[in-house]
Amino acid sequence: DTAVSQTPKYLVTQMGNDKSIKCEQNLGHDTMYWYKQDSKKFLKIMFSYNNKELIINETVPNRFSPKSPDKAHLNLHINSLELGDSAVYFCASSLRGAGKLFFGSGTQLSVL
Amino acid sequence: TQLLEQSPQFLSIQEGENLTVYCNSSSVFSSLQWYRQEPGEGPVLLVTVVTGGEVKKLKRLTFQFGDARKDSSLHITAAQPGDTGLYLCAGFSNTGNQFYFGTGTSLTVIP
Repeated sequence: DTAVSQTPKYLVTQMGNDKSIKCEQNLGHDTMYWYKQDSKKFLKIMFSYNNKELIINETVPNRFSPKSPDKAHLNLHINSLELGDSAVYFCASSLRGAGKLFFGSGTQLSVL
Repeated sequence: TQLLEQSPQFLSIQEGENLTVYCNSSSVFSSLQWYRQEPGEGPVLLVTVVTGGEVKKLKRLTFQFGDARKDSSLHITAAQPGDTGLYLCAGFSNTGNQFYFGTGTSLTVIP
C-alpha cells in the first residue's frame, strides 16, 4: 500500500490553464504539506495543513490554492499557470511534532 | 528563513571509497533528519537525530548531530553504486512545526 500518493505523476499543460494535483495519505497523520522542488533540487515549503486547518502559508502567488477536505487529503489547485510554475511538486505528511516527513513520489509539472 | 548549507553540492566517487557530507546552519533545531532522494521519487527518511552529539549508524552510514544541534554530518563507508542519489538534511523546529531543508548533495558512486 502506498503511504502518500499523489496524482498525476506528470502534468504537461499550456500557459494560462488551470490544473489540480491531488494527494492522499493513509498513515493516519494529522499534518500535510506541499513542497516545490526547483531545477536545483531545492525543496521549498508552500503550505501546511494540520487537521484541515492552514498553519503554514509561505510567500506563494494567490494563483495557488490548497484545499483539505479531511486530514487524509490535501489538494493543490493552480490557476493561470505560468512558465515559472514548472517544477516538481511534492506532497508530504507527518504527525505534528514528530519531526518526520513522508513524501509522495512527486508531480512533474511542465508549463509550455 | 532558516538556511541549511550542505557541502559538497556534488560528489562523484569510485565504488569502495569513503565520503562525508556536511550540513551546517546558524540555527538550533529540535531534531535533524537526513533523507535520500532517487530520480523520479520523493525523498525517503534515513534517520532522525535529536540529542546534541548523538551518533546513529545505519549499516555503512553514520550520522552525527553537532553538540549545539546546529549542524550534522553523514559519513558513508565503502560506498556502493546503490548509494547514488540526492542527500538532503532537514532541520525540524517544534515552534511552528516547520521543516527546513538543506541545499542538497548529489552523490554519484561509479562502479
